[in-house]
Amino acid sequence: AQKITQTQPGMFVQEKEAVTLDCTYDTSDPSYGLFWYKQPSSGEMIFLIYQGSYDQQNATEGRYSLNFQKARKSANLVISASQLGDSAMYFCAMRRDSGGGADGLTFGKGTHLIIQP
Amino acid sequence: EPEVTQTPSHQVTQMGQEVILRCVPISNHLYFYWYRQILGQKVEFLVSFYNNEISEKSEIFDDQFSVERPDGSNFTLKIRSTKLEDSAMYFCASSFRGQGLSGNTIYFGEGSWLTVV
Repeated sequence: AQKITQTQPGMFVQEKEAVTLDCTYDTSDPSYGLFWYKQPSSGEMIFLIYQGSYDQQNATEGRYSLNFQKARKSANLVISASQLGDSAMYFCAMRRDSGGGADGLTFGKGTHLIIQP
Repeated sequence: EPEVTQTPSHQVTQMGQEVILRCVPISNHLYFYWYRQILGQKVEFLVSFYNNEISEKSEIFDDQFSVERPDGSNFTLKIRSTKLEDSAMYFCASSFRGQGLSGNTIYFGEGSWLTVV
């Protein structure tokens, strides 16, 4: 079984500051993928970034980077130079990488990020 | 940019009625999913679908639920006899077969709000 833990239910951050959203995971699968999604108040789920368990380098996508520490089983999301539009719920998720692509994602409970001007 | 589309965006139904939620996945994707999110809670996996059959399903996906791909583009979720506790946002998602970022990323639709009264 897989488990995702997000220990920050809510965060307030000043605009333009960097933000780190915590995510730890637990799995017995040797190969897996880690995902971050953004959910604004309108409700849609927006894919942000992906990290494979065997990837040697931390993933980056524009202002988003994933601080992957495999030994600690953590996959923190870092948002650089935060903007007001970053205010949203952020979900960490994972699934085993069976190669078949059919496994579902296991989500954490999310972190509600509010960017203050 | 290709996207997953869902209809309806919001549906109100009476308890005991049948509901069909519709989705058009990204055209070259081969794996399809349904997730649900009860208000204020985390996203939960319901079912995955590949090659015209269910690949994985969670314990939430009981006999009241069914999925179908009636033609080459649509993917539907049917709830046979809705209960109050079925009220939630239902997300359709799709992914391309394979590993790595382009294979593993699961893209979500904007969701269908279901309210059972």
